[in-house]
Amino acid sequence: AAGVIQSPRHLIKEKRETATLKCYPIPRHDTVYWYQQGPGQDPQFLISFYEKMQSDKGSIPDRFSAQQFSDYHSELNMSSLELGDSALYFCASSLVETQYFGPGTRLLVL
Amino acid sequence: KNQVEQSPQSLIILEGKNCTLQCNYTVSPFSNLRWYKQDTGRGPVSLTIMTFSENTKSNGRYTATLDADTKQSSLHITASQLSDSASYICVVTSGTYKYIFGTGTRLKVLA
Repeated sequence: AAGVIQSPRHLIKEKRETATLKCYPIPRHDTVYWYQQGPGQDPQFLISFYEKMQSDKGSIPDRFSAQQFSDYHSELNMSSLELGDSALYFCASSLVETQYFGPGTRLLVL
Repeated sequence: KNQVEQSPQSLIILEGKNCTLQCNYTVSPFSNLRWYKQDTGRGPVSLTIMTFSENTKSNGRYTATLDADTKQSSLHITASQLSDSASYICVVTSGTYKYIFGTGTRLKVLA
């Protein structure tokens, strides 16, 4: 069965650079969620989209933005990267309630 | 203030033993409560999801309880295995899309 796809799987950036993470939900899923998990931390909810509209907003920094496209894939744009942005970024998709998580993108900011 | 607290923060048990993890929440409005298991470096995996009217739900060796009056939930793990070593996260949904994560319990099962 198809799962949530995230790309890239690993990313190395320098401070003040920008990064774009992509998430391709399970086919027919209409909701996408983004989470950030720092080293040794629990995942923190960033933002979610339902039918291409932002549905909820968590602890997403102002330097980050996200959107969901017509094909339901989503992109998380991160600008002015800081060392503290180094983390594992998970995307999840759902149709009704259960969220299915992707493998994550590991971002390292040097 | 919406809040989800878990205890203990960390727990070490011997293989084959049982253990119980606690989750207390102050979330309104309450939609449902989920328990997730998260292995290091992996995404969380849903174990159970419980609505207001459900008291107990089992998933193999995992049994979750929910007391909506006292706003408490527990996750009981029976006959623990080495592969149960992970973080266990309690997540309460408020409304449709608002997820409040608990602080997590790190469980270590020793041989």
